[in-house]
Amino acid sequence: DAGITQSPRHKVTETGTPVTLRCHQTENHRYMYWYRQDPGHGLRLIHYSYGVKDTDKGEVSDGYSVSRSKTEDFLLTLESATSSQTSVYFCAISAGPSTDTQYFGPGTRLTVL
Amino acid sequence: LAKTTQPISMDSYEGQEVNITCSHNNIATNDYITWYQQFPSQGPRFIIQGYKTKVTNEVASLFIPADRKSSTLSLPRVSLSDTAVYYCLVVPVGSGNTGKLIFGQGTTLQVKP
Repeated sequence: DAGITQSPRHKVTETGTPVTLRCHQTENHRYMYWYRQDPGHGLRLIHYSYGVKDTDKGEVSDGYSVSRSKTEDFLLTLESATSSQTSVYFCAISAGPSTDTQYFGPGTRLTVL
Repeated sequence: LAKTTQPISMDSYEGQEVNITCSHNNIATNDYITWYQQFPSQGPRFIIQGYKTKVTNEVASLFIPADRKSSTLSLPRVSLSDTAVYYCLVVPVGSGNTGKLIFGQGTTLQVKP
């Protein structure tokens, strides 16, 4: 399995609090992605990164920000969590964008009360 | 990105061959067809990818007709452990591709004993 870890794996927080999820990889892959998965919606891309300090928005980026200061770490921040952001969050990595396989992390289950 | 359509769910029994068909009528010339598998409480995992005709690996076969408007994922002799959600994706190749993937809702395959 690709070396991808996510932390925390589970988190419960309250509405209005900031939350940061971390994705760490040991594969030295250039591309990193954050997805959320909700019942009835499959996986939806939030943000992605194509290099250190290079990021762009996905289809559901509102309410989320990301940062990538090192190749191995990609952080997802919810500045002020809302109940609609209760979801399972997956990080993924790939060596290149084209048809390269994306490898997914184990996921973080976030509950916003 | 080309939209894909696949059945929401399928049932099968152990030992049977399972074929999941995906429709992608608007596929572009530079698009590849890719399938991912997701087990409960895990991130998706790449299964197979192809451009045309037939591709086979140790897990599955992928059949793509000449017009490429559909594809069929074939799982030989399924077991209970093949119970999962299967996603069909169309992935563009080329310098403009950022690696964004559209997963859709996938097909939930339930294998029964």
